[in-house]
Amino acid sequence: SQTIHQWPATLVQPVGSPLSLECTVEGTSNPNLYWYRQAAGRGLQLLFYSVGIGQISSEVPQNLSASRPQDRQFILSSKKLLLSDSGFYLCAWSAGGAGYTFGSGTRLTVV
Amino acid sequence: KNEVEQSPQNLTAQEGEFITINCSYSVGISALHWLQQHPGGGIVSLFMLSSGKKKHGRLIATINIQEKHSSLHITASHPRDSAVYICAVSLGDMRFGAGTRLTVKP
Repeated sequence: SQTIHQWPATLVQPVGSPLSLECTVEGTSNPNLYWYRQAAGRGLQLLFYSVGIGQISSEVPQNLSASRPQDRQFILSSKKLLLSDSGFYLCAWSAGGAGYTFGSGTRLTVV
Repeated sequence: KNEVEQSPQNLTAQEGEFITINCSYSVGISALHWLQQHPGGGIVSLFMLSSGKKKHGRLIATINIQEKHSSLHITASHPRDSAVYICAVSLGDMRFGAGTRLTVKP
């Protein structure tokens, strides 16, 4: 069966520090992978999506970047965190159809 | 205007009440999803609909493709149903509503 792993669950980082959030998928090949963010009091917003290794599309300009070094691995990064990067980050995958599976999310607090 | 609109934003109910959350969308979609987000942030997929109606336990989801509208109903609500309910539509990627915060009081 397909599963998705996202870690860490919570993270507190100082302003200016780097960030690396990892998401891995098991049980499927060539998934479409997504990173979403939910800022406080707001809905989920698509940040990045990837349809294959090394293929990253960005929806909004920001302080973050994404990489897909392996077929089932999707990484969200920042070189220097800002206070405004605080929020809930969610990874998801789909097989290209309408069905999505979500990770458990990472709550990031930048202090 | 958001592509996905949910109402109400906040909803407080007494245990046992019948609850309805509404979702309207303005784009062509391949499917509509109802998600439940718990206080810790974790998201669970409740339903994926492309037509008609689905039922799972006390939860019922309906969709009217012509009217671009969906409803999520909870029968005999319980305090453990307290969560944020999110409507989302699939168009290649997903677009989310802002969520409805439901509080069910004992």
